[in-house]
Amino acid sequence: NAGVTQTPKFRILKIGQSMTLQCAQDMNHNYMYWYRQDPGMGLKLIYYSVGAGITDKGEVPNGYNVSRSTTEDFPLRLELAAPSQTSVYFCASSNLGLAGTKNIQYFGAGTRLSVL
Amino acid sequence: GENVEQHPSTLSVQEGDSAVIKCTYSDSASNYFPWYKQELGKGPQLIIDIRSNVGEKKDQRIAVTLNKTAKHFSLHITETQPEDSAVYFCAASKGGASGGSYIPTFGRGTSLIVHP
Repeated sequence: NAGVTQTPKFRILKIGQSMTLQCAQDMNHNYMYWYRQDPGMGLKLIYYSVGAGITDKGEVPNGYNVSRSTTEDFPLRLELAAPSQTSVYFCASSNLGLAGTKNIQYFGAGTRLSVL
Repeated sequence: GENVEQHPSTLSVQEGDSAVIKCTYSDSASNYFPWYKQELGKGPQLIIDIRSNVGEKKDQRIAVTLNKTAKHFSLHITETQPEDSAVYFCAASKGGASGGSYIPTFGRGTSLIVHP
């Protein structure tokens, strides 16, 4: 098992450019998440998905879009990149059963993005 | 929504000393409290968790305590080692009979430095 794989690891964008951060998991998890991590600010939820075809906004969704066409993949799209989107982005997945269980999240290694 | 406060933001100890990180939460319905460790350049990884029906849980050198009345929980690391140096995040979530979707709210993180 590779777990949660994020690509690319690093990226520099110019203001106004667009890009897609890729995330894939091979654990057949139903939940997937995107977080951003800024220094001293913890992890802020951008979007999450409870299954293929279902997505929902988190705490800081503005400027981002997501899609979940398969169980394995959950790409994050940045349109019109801005300097405020400079951050480290983490994708995570978890497996919650119908009865509800502990929500143990498995994180990828992150994508470090700079918008200049 | 839930609000999680974490203190201190930085903790410096000598090897062999104990370290304590404290978190408070605002939503009395929260019922699951995980702790994650993030090593440099990596994604967070679960190290211990506790449900609201338990007051304390231990796993070798780490332990977590929960005080539901006061709405705070703490991570205790004994006999610290240099490899314990990392950023630690607490989180709170609710689900199951408490309602909610088990989506966690994270604290801002504590940078633990263990000096040899």
